[in-house]
Amino acid sequence: DTEVTQTPKHLVMGMTNKKSLKCEQHMGHRAMYWYKQKAKKPPELMFVYSYEKLSINESVPSRFSPECPNSSLLNLHLHALQPEDSALYLCASSQESTSGRIQFFGPGTRLTVL
Amino acid sequence: RKEVEQDPGPFNVPEGATVAFNCTYSNSASQSFFWYRQDCRKEPKLLMSVYSSGNEDGRFTAQLNRASQYISLLIRDSKLSDSATYLCVSYNTNAGKSTFGDGTTLTVKP
Repeated sequence: DTEVTQTPKHLVMGMTNKKSLKCEQHMGHRAMYWYKQKAKKPPELMFVYSYEKLSINESVPSRFSPECPNSSLLNLHLHALQPEDSALYLCASSQESTSGRIQFFGPGTRLTVL
Repeated sequence: RKEVEQDPGPFNVPEGATVAFNCTYSNSASQSFFWYRQDCRKEPKLLMSVYSSGNEDGRFTAQLNRASQYISLLIRDSKLSDSATYLCVSYNTNAGKSTFGDGTTLTVKP
């Protein structure tokens, strides 16, 4: 299974809502990532988990809260978002190899904040 | 200066054309390099890893020049299905993260 799954595919939320994005992989990868991607821009790294521990937080506002319940799951909890947070949120996973970390991306959650 | 810079594009080429994309990186600590392909409203997918010795996969050839900190991707005999955005990516093992170029958009026309 070489797939990263993400739910939901689409999410519309108000600025006062609390919601969560979910990501799952069964490739045995020990690194998982959250990226944010705006239209016509490259993916922008938000968080990296390595062996279920948060290893990188790219100065992301606290209204985004990541969680890694186990080696296969990654969540992103959202609270009090702003309209400018509307974007495609991509989850990825990777394994170390002699070629570096090849990342496999999920299909993303398209988030709209009203 | 951006850590990974790509040709701004867009590239519009006829079917059957050969097209080359260039990418430069500024962080000499970057150890691994990749080309990803991203279709409109889809996720990035690995196209190929890039090695100093050069590597080829069918119509695609990638090359890395560490001395010049330069990466290239050559697509021969372009197909309509090659139309996409191509992302140049460097991975820094010490930092534990990847850096993406802004991407180059290719449109192959009949």
